[in-house]
Amino acid sequence: AQSVTQPDIHITVSEGASLELRCNYSYGATPYLFWYVQSPGQGLQLLLKYFSGDTLVQGIKGFEAEFKRSQSSFNLRKPSVHWSDAAEYFCAVGGSNDYKLSFGAGTTVTVRA
Amino acid sequence: GAGVSQTPSNKVTEKGKYVELRCDPISGHTALYWYRQSLGQGPEFLIYFQGTGAADDSGLPNDRFFAVRPEGSVSTLKIQRTERGDSAVYLCASTTLGGPKETQYFGPGTRLLVL
Repeated sequence: AQSVTQPDIHITVSEGASLELRCNYSYGATPYLFWYVQSPGQGLQLLLKYFSGDTLVQGIKGFEAEFKRSQSSFNLRKPSVHWSDAAEYFCAVGGSNDYKLSFGAGTTVTVRA
Repeated sequence: GAGVSQTPSNKVTEKGKYVELRCDPISGHTALYWYRQSLGQGPEFLIYFQGTGAADDSGLPNDRFFAVRPEGSVSTLKIQRTERGDSAVYLCASTTLGGPKETQYFGPGTRLLVL
């Protein structure tokens, strides 16, 4: 069965500092990996996704993520965070025969001035 | 264009009551998903529609939960004999065709509180 682990429940980062959110997955076949962001009162918004090919993927809002098969990881990064990046971030896994997504429990990001 | 909309945004009910939650997907999207997000957790899959039919309802927790999509657009999630453990945010998402590479577009959710 597939699963996603996000080890960090809550991260606080200063505005302008770099951010890295960890994601580890378990999936029996080639995974399709996604990062979503959820702001209060808003629906989940896709930041980026990975299916195959180049293991470093770029997304919206200046985010990027790196797929590492050997570590079963898909960590999300941003070089310089803005106050508007304060939100909850979810990593999710699917697959070529799997239209439904399995989500991690999320990481809440707080940005301090 | 309009995104996925869900109504009501909040619903408070009493244990044992029946509730209906509505989802309006993006126009033209044939695939529709329901997820449930409990406090402190990520969304959990409930059911997937391809057109009017439920292609996969394996995530429905028990037979108190049922969902329909009679005309292939709007969907209603129905919960009978609600229990306090049903309290959660119910999320709806839609995609163009339902392919695994497609972006799922989520609505803002319905927050259900069962007293």
